[in-house]
Amino acid sequence: DGGITQSPKYLFRKEGQNVTLSCEQNLNHDAMYWYRQDPGQGLRLIYYSQIVNDFQKGDIAEGYSVSREKKESFPLTVTSAQKNPTAFYLCVTQPGLNQPQHFGDGTRLSIL
Amino acid sequence: GQQLNQSPQSMFIQEGEDVSMNCTSSSIFNTWLWYKQEPGEGPVLLIALYKAGELTSNGRLTAQFGITRKDSFLNISASIPSDVGIYFCAGQRTSGSRLTFGEGTQLTVNP
Repeated sequence: DGGITQSPKYLFRKEGQNVTLSCEQNLNHDAMYWYRQDPGQGLRLIYYSQIVNDFQKGDIAEGYSVSREKKESFPLTVTSAQKNPTAFYLCVTQPGLNQPQHFGDGTRLSIL
Repeated sequence: GQQLNQSPQSMFIQEGEDVSMNCTSSSIFNTWLWYKQEPGEGPVLLIALYKAGELTSNGRLTAQFGITRKDSFLNISASIPSDVGIYFCAGQRTSGSRLTFGEGTQLTVNP
């Protein structure tokens, strides 16, 4: 979707290193979400934030951390504690009440 | 976290055929969404449903919000090769709450 920028599109890191995935939006949307997608599976929620300076754990938060210091930005850090970090990561925004979510183009993370 | 039951998991059809897929849940949802995802990209919203019984079309796509609020289906009529992709349903319980996703239906259309 236009207005949601995930970078980089592909990311390679060595095992044991922390890595931060960027998500920036210029849509002025309040809520932002991070999902993880594995081959042949649906999307699983990692973390979400409804407003600035506040965020909640999703279903699979272990091994991940986030921050929401600005409305436009919701970076996701994949720490060395995440046992199986290789996946496709999707950042999502939502304008507000009763509005559908909009997806970024994703970052594919591969751990070497 | 709960996943929706989406079926079928995959479909292989001939160009021109109609397609039908559905999602069911043991819980009530107040919003149902249908997304399409192409390889290497994020899902794109196709249809959003907000009222039980609602039937909404978007070109050759038609989706319905089940009366019980526990299911939804998506139909694609007269399929074409560019319909290929993974189709996801998603449910939302209350406005602004997180989405619950189905596991996706992989659609392959043979010319």
